[in-house]
Amino acid sequence: DAKTTQPNSMESNEEEPVHLPCNHSTISGTDYIHWYRQLPSQGPEYVIHGLTSNVNNRMASLAIAEDRKSSTLILHRATLRDAAVYYCILDAGGTSYGKLTFGQGTILTVHP
Amino acid sequence: NAGVTQTPKFRVLKTGQSMTLLCAQDMNHEYMYWYRQDPGMGLRLIHYSVGEGTTAKGEVPDGYNVSRLKKQNFLLGLESAAPSQTSVYFCASRGRSDTQYFGPGTRLTVL
Repeated sequence: DAKTTQPNSMESNEEEPVHLPCNHSTISGTDYIHWYRQLPSQGPEYVIHGLTSNVNNRMASLAIAEDRKSSTLILHRATLRDAAVYYCILDAGGTSYGKLTFGQGTILTVHP
Repeated sequence: NAGVTQTPKFRVLKTGQSMTLLCAQDMNHEYMYWYRQDPGMGLRLIHYSVGEGTTAKGEVPDGYNVSRLKKQNFLLGLESAAPSQTSVYFCASRGRSDTQYFGPGTRLTVL
């Protein structure tokens, strides 16, 4: 399985933008880039995913490099509720039956 | 619409005891998954199912069995619990949207 590399931790101030990077240099052409986050003592929750084009939703934006070897999750205005572990995961789509391989993720700390 | 629910929320077992964890989803999803999460680690896939009556092994299947007799339920069994199985267990389901929905987790301690 193609792997991802993320920083262990990042910090931000409340109401400031946050850019969470992810490297996936061995990504294949059919791998989707998924982001999930896990708040303390909860199960992971879906944030966003994309294949080639940048994506936006109500939670975040996903910027994908042109060569797809890296991507960035953007939280436009961090809140204290955004403090969580963020996981960048590659999903091979139908052939993998949706199986996800979680790394250790990035621990995001948001300061008031 | 409850999403994904897990029963029980907490459990303490003695080594050698057995138990079954229940996962239920009300979203009519075909795919269901069982993961475990050890302290400071990401989730690891134990078993998964791509439809009613089907199951398959994930990354760490040893010591666990599963069954999917009904589409909405996915059961995880521990026949003879070991301290190494102390963990938080998460169930998830996935429909056509490529999004996995996770339950709140079951915290299991094996003494």
